[in-house]
Amino acid sequence: DSGVTQTPKHLITATGQRVTLRCSPRSGDLSVYWYQQSLDQGLQFLIQYYNGEERAKGNILERFSAQQFPDLHSELNLSSLELGDSALYFCASSDRLAGGPGETQYFGPGTRLLVL
Amino acid sequence: AQTVTQSQPEMSVQEAETVTLSCTYDTSESDYYLFWYKQPPSRQMILVIRQEAYKQQNATENRFSVNFQKAAKSFSLKISDSQLGDAAMYFCAQTQGGSEKLVFGKGMKLTVNP
Repeated sequence: DSGVTQTPKHLITATGQRVTLRCSPRSGDLSVYWYQQSLDQGLQFLIQYYNGEERAKGNILERFSAQQFPDLHSELNLSSLELGDSALYFCASSDRLAGGPGETQYFGPGTRLLVL
Repeated sequence: AQTVTQSQPEMSVQEAETVTLSCTYDTSESDYYLFWYKQPPSRQMILVIRQEAYKQQNATENRFSVNFQKAAKSFSLKISDSQLGDAAMYFCAQTQGGSEKLVFGKGMKLTVNP
């Protein structure tokens, strides 16, 4: 158990809908990262938040957005869903101040999203 | 751009034997970090081992060790005394410069035969 929790574990929805994925980082971790794992794209970085502020952006679609709240949990919002958004979405956390870019990222169990 | 390449999509090993998983990367930075993550059938991403590029000594964690060849930009993972529980997808990953995002290879499926 990494200490990172994600809810829900599974999500089935229809095209055009909007969903919210939730992540609670390890206790004390200030950085939260979101990754998408799909068959065709592999594991891709989406976005990073540090202590409530957006820190870095990757290949995140405009239909997707995220935020980190004062209690450090984070939510990833996916809207106008398409079939191709079906994937496993991971959240990871790290204690950025402890070591910077090389700090280990601990992954949650993921949310499996299926868009029908 | 960062690229991480795992050229072997699949490998198999006999239980108790040793296997080496290969990974090459491309970077123009001098400051970077390399990781191996394991993804068992449960889909959980588990850190196996971490290497700082500025350290010449190869990282070791119990049965897992790396062969870090900086000039060749190679970062292979050696698993000794393979166990059935080692069966998983293995991903090589890199962060570089001031960026904390992990860039992953496509992964390699390891099968351990009893």
